Amino acid sequence: AQKITQTQPGMFVQEKEAVTLDCTYDTSDPSYGLFWYKQPSSGEMIFLIYQGSYDQQNATEGRYSLNFQKARKSANLVISASQLGDSAMYFCAMREEVRTSGSRLTFGEGTQLTVNP
Amino acid sequence: DTGVSQDPRHKITKRGQNVTFRCDPISEHNRLYWYRQTLGQGPEFLTYFQNEAQLEKSRLLSDRFSAERPKGSFSTLEIQRTEQGDSAMYLCASRHSGFTDTQYFGPGTRLTVL
Repeated sequence: AQKITQTQPGMFVQEKEAVTLDCTYDTSDPSYGLFWYKQPSSGEMIFLIYQGSYDQQNATEGRYSLNFQKARKSANLVISASQLGDSAMYFCAMREEVRTSGSRLTFGEGTQLTVNP
Repeated sequence: DTGVSQDPRHKITKRGQNVTFRCDPISEHNRLYWYRQTLGQGPEFLTYFQNEAQLEKSRLLSDRFSAERPKGSFSTLEIQRTEQGDSAMYLCASRHSGFTDTQYFGPGTRLTVL
């Protein structure tokens, strides 16, 4: 069974600074995908960034980048130049490409990020 | 093109009542997923459809839960004889399996069972 671990229940960062949110995963499958979603207090899950297990380069999307270290099974999210609107819950998730499980996502327990002015 | 929509956004019901939620996926997305999220936790997979076929169901989906996607477009999730433990956010997501691995989520339906 696959598992996602987010060890930081809460993180604080000053506006305009960078912050790293940790995520480690466990899977025995060679093909998988890793995602980060943002969930504001309104509840909607907002897709941020995706990394495939065979991708050679780390994914980047604007201020978001994914620090993918395959050997260590980690996929940390880096947010540069934090903004007040970045305050939210952040979830790491994994898609495992297994016939019996289809393409379900398994989520971690999340990290609550607070950006201070 | 709008994103995934869900209706209602909030539902309060009494224990023992039946409730039904609706999800409208992004147009032309052939895969539709249901997840449940309890307070302080990440979402947990319930079930998913490819077009109108329900291809997988989680052990979380007890026999009081049923989901349908009759024409391969919108989907409904019904909970019969609700229990207080059913109180949660129910999230729907969709994706096009031919183009992307990314699932796009709707705003969710927050269920409170009294």
